[in-house]
Amino acid sequence: KQEVTQIPAALSVPEGENLVLNCSFTDSAIYNLQWFRQDPGKGLTSLLLIQSSQREQTSGRLNASLDKSSGRSTLYIAASQPGDSATYLCAGASSNTGKLIFGQGTTLQVKP
Amino acid sequence: DAGVIQSPRHEVTEMGQEVTLRCKPISGHNSLFWYRQTMMRGLELLIYFNNNVPIDDSGMPEDRFSAKMPNASFSTLKIQPSEPRDSAVYFCASSNDRGGVSPLHFGNGTRLTVT
Repeated sequence: KQEVTQIPAALSVPEGENLVLNCSFTDSAIYNLQWFRQDPGKGLTSLLLIQSSQREQTSGRLNASLDKSSGRSTLYIAASQPGDSATYLCAGASSNTGKLIFGQGTTLQVKP
Repeated sequence: DAGVIQSPRHEVTEMGQEVTLRCKPISGHNSLFWYRQTMMRGLELLIYFNNNVPIDDSGMPEDRFSAKMPNASFSTLKIQPSEPRDSAVYFCASSNDRGGVSPLHFGNGTRLTVT
């Protein structure tokens, strides 16, 4: 059974800092891993999707990596801005079920 | 495209009442997912449909919950009778597949409060 864990639960950084959010999963037979952003009172917005055959994906200041052997994914945010403040969730799709299992999220605050 | 549309945005009801949540997926998407989000349990998948057919409803908590997808552009999640522990934000999401190679697109959710 796939379980997804995100650490830390909350993170506060000054503007301009580079930062890394961590995600770990238990089932290495992962089909893909997705990173989402959730703003208060809103739904989730897909940021990056990494398929199991890929090692990383990049979009602007965001870079996500996937290491199936260690059961880890990271989301790297370069030159953080106050507008990056949100909750970031990772979710793994299992090869067996096709379901997305979500972590609890990391709430990021970027201070001006 | 308007994205995934959910209604209502907020629903307040009394225990024992029937609640119906509605979702219009993105046109052309063939998979639809219902999720529930609470502080305690995070995001939980309740049920998902592929080509209007329920594929996996193992996440539906009890028989009080039911979901339908009569056509490719509409789905409902019904709770009857509702209980205070059903209070949560319910999200609908759609995708071009089961979330394999296409990202999931979420609606803004329905915040349900059962008193």
